[in-house]
Amino acid sequence: DTGVSQNPRHKITKRGQNVTFRCDPISEHNRLYWYRQTLGQGPEFLTYFQNEAQLEKSRLLSDRFSAERPKGSFSTLEIQRTEQGDSAMYLCASSLARDTGELFFGEGSRLTVL
Amino acid sequence: GEDVEQSLFLSVREGDSSVINCTYTDSSSTYLYWYKQEPGAGLQLLTYIFSNMDMKQDQRLTVLLNKKDKHLSLRIADTQTGDSAIYFCAEISNKLIFGAGTRLAVHP
Repeated sequence: DTGVSQNPRHKITKRGQNVTFRCDPISEHNRLYWYRQTLGQGPEFLTYFQNEAQLEKSRLLSDRFSAERPKGSFSTLEIQRTEQGDSAMYLCASSLARDTGELFFGEGSRLTVL
Repeated sequence: GEDVEQSLFLSVREGDSSVINCTYTDSSSTYLYWYKQEPGAGLQLLTYIFSNMDMKQDQRLTVLLNKKDKHLSLRIADTQTGDSAIYFCAEISNKLIFGAGTRLAVHP
């Protein structure tokens, strides 16, 4: 296992369409995080899972966004009825629930909403 | 609430030292981190420091932590052109909170 894998790497969609991103974490990691990053900004926390349980959701995560991690392994992030303001890089990270809390990031999925 | 602030840009000459500064708000953070992001690449952990430490050195990197002032800095000795990137400071409660990043430009 070489790291956190995300796909697709790039997605261009029209406003109003639904999109889904997938993240495959490092296999022994029990925590999985989603972040969003826009140009010139740091990553903003969206949500995280410990195993299959979604433990925290940011207020940034509107009801058009839903994330799942059904078997405690891979996760999906779905955005319904996309808006131009959703255009961003969506980053996934995984970690072991331990003291240092080091997060390992994937290369991200870039969303462009036209 | 949780907040992390950094200066946005730093320009240094190759071979000089770079110092990137960060302030944070969450005094309960147990670890503080520096991540590096190169163009088109993912975030890479550079180093971290436990909150009960004042300093950590790792080859060309030195991290200084002033817990009283909630101030963190990253010093890169002998800065090289390959160090040009965006550097993010981050604090952790149960998730990482990032600053906006400092863009480091290294010129000959």
